Amino acid sequence: DAKTTQPNSMESNEEEPVHLPCNHSTISGTDYIHWYRQLPSQGPEYVIHGLTSNVNNRMASLAIAEDRKSSTLILHRATLRDAAVYYCILRVGGSNYKLTFGKGTLLTVNP
Amino acid sequence: DTAVSQTPKYLVTQMGNDKSIKCEQNLGHDTMYWYKQDSKKFLKIMFSYNNKELIINETVPNRFSPKSPDKAHLNLHINSLELGDSAVYFCASRGTLWDTQYFGPGTRLTVL
Repeated sequence: DAKTTQPNSMESNEEEPVHLPCNHSTISGTDYIHWYRQLPSQGPEYVIHGLTSNVNNRMASLAIAEDRKSSTLILHRATLRDAAVYYCILRVGGSNYKLTFGKGTLLTVNP
Repeated sequence: DTAVSQTPKYLVTQMGNDKSIKCEQNLGHDTMYWYKQDSKKFLKIMFSYNNKELIINETVPNRFSPKSPDKAHLNLHINSLELGDSAVYFCASRGTLWDTQYFGPGTRLTVL
């Protein structure tokens, strides 16, 4: 399974931007980079995904390095509700793909 | 409207019992999954069904048997429960657009 490396934890202040890094040096050309997050006592929820180009949606932005060996999830203004475990995942495989979750990054947001 | 629902939310039972967890999605998705999150918070895929057909079967004891009566439902039956089965079990479904997975709220299973 393709692997990702993330810091165990990060801390941010409310209303400040947060940059969550992810290394995926063994990524192959067809692997999509997915980000999910898991709020306390809830199921994971989709945040964003991309292949080569940077992506923006209402929740976050995804910046992908030119060599695709790393990516950064950007929360533009962190809120207390963004405190969660963030998972960077390589989507491997065809139509029957599966998500292999790592340890993720525990994001703490300080008021 | 709940997209992916699971019942029950909590399940406490004795070792050796047989129990089932139900999952339903109202998103019209063809693919559904079961994941297990243990006490160390690792989330691991167990099974996946596509249109009632098993397509992913990870290394899971055969005491675990998924059943998909129709593409909107994927139930998980567990025989002869063991202490190590205690975990939170998440159901998920996946649509074709953007390939994102939608997770249910989880079922916390405690085996005593």
